[in-house]
Amino acid sequence: DIVMTQSPDSLAVSLGERAIINCKSSQSLLYSSNNKNYLAWYQQKPGQPPNLLIYWASTRQSGVPDRISGSGSGTNFTLTITSLQAEDAAIYYCQQYYTASLLTFGGGTKVEIK
Amino acid sequence: QVQLQESGPGLVKPSQTLSLTCTVSGAAIGSGGHYWNWIRQHPGKGLEWIGYIYSSGNTYYNPSLKSRLTMSVDTSNNHFSLTLTSVTPADTAVYFCARDGGYCGSTSCHYFDYWGRGTLVTVSS
Repeated sequence: DIVMTQSPDSLAVSLGERAIINCKSSQSLLYSSNNKNYLAWYQQKPGQPPNLLIYWASTRQSGVPDRISGSGSGTNFTLTITSLQAEDAAIYYCQQYYTASLLTFGGGTKVEIK
Repeated sequence: QVQLQESGPGLVKPSQTLSLTCTVSGAAIGSGGHYWNWIRQHPGKGLEWIGYIYSSGNTYYNPSLKSRLTMSVDTSNNHFSLTLTSVTPADTAVYFCARDGGYCGSTSCHYFDYWGRGTLVTVSS
């Protein structure tokens, strides 16, 4: 199984400041034949399903504001929210789809407004 | 607009069978190109992928649930289903159905672009 580890578990950020969430995979998510990283990011607010933000580690889903971005390759990935807004308060999850027979998520990172 | 809606009993007794259905609108399961997934979230916890099914009926299950799990698809009525046998309180969770990206050119892209709102299933006597 590919284990996904997120850090920190939670963080509090002031409005307008930057939030950085890390995700580490137990093995590389970079597929050499197409040079793609099989990693996605989601945002989940209370009482709602997760919402896809990023796929292929850095491709923004339609409608996602450009203050939210993904980066990284191999085993280390980052979700960055610049200029944090009140509506960004949520739990964020990373997910690997490199192993199609067993899809796995990180444990989540809770972003709160300071 | 693709929409998914879970349905099924909210309370199941221990040792019994949990059955849920996900009805899809705005997309035809039978047209292929996407996989149809079940994902669960234990109260206050993270996300656990349960398994997926293709329009052909091909399935992949999480090995941790495989012995108790069956998924099926009904392309005529545009829904897919989950059956989990011998449930225990540890199966108490919000169950989501979700569509994944399916086939993206020469590769598969199993990230989840559309989700149902989820249904809470409690296992208790």
